[in-house]
Amino acid sequence: GAGVSQTPSNKVTEKGKYVELRCDPISGHTALYWYRQSLGQGPEFLIYFQGTGAADDSGLPNDRFFAVRPEGSVSTLKIQRTERGDSAVYLCASSPQRTANTEAFFGQGTRLTVV
Amino acid sequence: AQSVTQLGSHVSVSEGALVLLRCNYSSSVPPYLFWYVQYPNQGLQLLLKYTTGATLVKGINGFEAEFKKSETSFHLTKPSAHMSDAAEYFCAVSARTGGGNKLTFGTGTQLKVEL
Repeated sequence: GAGVSQTPSNKVTEKGKYVELRCDPISGHTALYWYRQSLGQGPEFLIYFQGTGAADDSGLPNDRFFAVRPEGSVSTLKIQRTERGDSAVYLCASSPQRTANTEAFFGQGTRLTVV
Repeated sequence: AQSVTQLGSHVSVSEGALVLLRCNYSSSVPPYLFWYVQYPNQGLQLLLKYTTGATLVKGINGFEAEFKKSETSFHLTKPSAHMSDAAEYFCAVSARTGGGNKLTFGTGTQLKVEL
């Protein structure tokens, strides 16, 4: 079956603009995660959904970042008033269960460049 | 709070030589432990994980790792490196309770395999 799909694969935007990044998880996976990977760093947790609700959004850096998962499947990460420091690869992952020992399956990421 | 330290951001080995990538964690309670690999232009892929039971775990592509509680370590090894092992490797942990599968990653180790 298909893996985790993220679109677009690359996004270049001007400082101050609004962007949306989309994640299609593996069908049937109830847990969905967003991470951000800056150059030379490991992925950093942003937000975790269990079904439609955000179970943990403690990693969102500020109120310019917001994510939704209205039907418990596709998720959109939204960034308002983008800044150059937001440039990074945004990774989405899904897993079939919410338990901590379950493998998370990652998408290839969206590379966001803010110019 | 949990943290992961990967010693050596770049490791270079000869083809056929032993691969040793180091990972130490800091956590008040032993967490679940993971190694992920990231090939160029691909998503993160799970190599292996330790959750419970035998402390030596075997993963894909001939890799294995040993959980040593007394040393708070989870080093990744492979007896004989292959050119195809060249990639970036990430150690990660997740809390055993309360966090879903929210992963905390190390900064990664880039493995280079030379002829």
